[in-house]
Amino acid sequence: GAVVSQHPSWVICKSGTSVKIECRSLDFQATTMFWYRQFPKQSLMLMATSNEGSKATYEQGVEKDKFLINHASLTLSTLTVTSAHPEDSSFYICSARAPPGLAGGEQYFGPGTRLTVT
Amino acid sequence: DAKTTQPPSMDCAEGRAANLPCNHSTISGNEYVYWYRQIHSQGPQYIIHGLKNNETNEMASLIITEDRKSSTLILPHATLRDTAVYYCIVRAISSGSARQLTFGSGTQLTVLP
Repeated sequence: GAVVSQHPSWVICKSGTSVKIECRSLDFQATTMFWYRQFPKQSLMLMATSNEGSKATYEQGVEKDKFLINHASLTLSTLTVTSAHPEDSSFYICSARAPPGLAGGEQYFGPGTRLTVT
Repeated sequence: DAKTTQPPSMDCAEGRAANLPCNHSTISGNEYVYWYRQIHSQGPQYIIHGLKNNETNEMASLIITEDRKSSTLILPHATLRDTAVYYCIVRAISSGSARQLTFGSGTQLTVLP
């Protein structure tokens, strides 16, 4: 089946520093990947849509200068949380849509990255 | 995409069938019903999807009513590992660019020993 990985699985950083999270589609190419954020006891909220070779599309209320997204290849998208603050502590999850004909063309999710900002 | 309504929580005895309902009364003709689940502190996992016919795979069965306004996800023999939040999502399939999934609050299924 289609596999999506994320790295790191968890990270602790100090307030004011930047953190990069990687999302990789391991056995398929994904022109589009999505980044979600999930706070404790809440549902997933879409942050942005990452398109290979072009600028990401951000959801309303998500600061594009704070959450930098780069989708430089068909198998890798990165999310950089810049100048992180404690309120950015959350569970960040990426997903990628497998192409039609492969695994039914459904969206597959990474295991998530737990970010804690101290 | 159409809005869905699910009960916030359900319990099920281990080994019994778990039947998770979902209402989607405003569903359009071109919208599919998707089910995902999220085990605690993991990414969501795709389970099944359907348009109007009942569907079955190795994980579950999906029963969609004839008027398509509601559906039921059935886990035939629930195990403790099936404890998770189950999300019912309605989304149109569009050829070309991928579309994001919009998650509601889901149903917390707890399988009891």
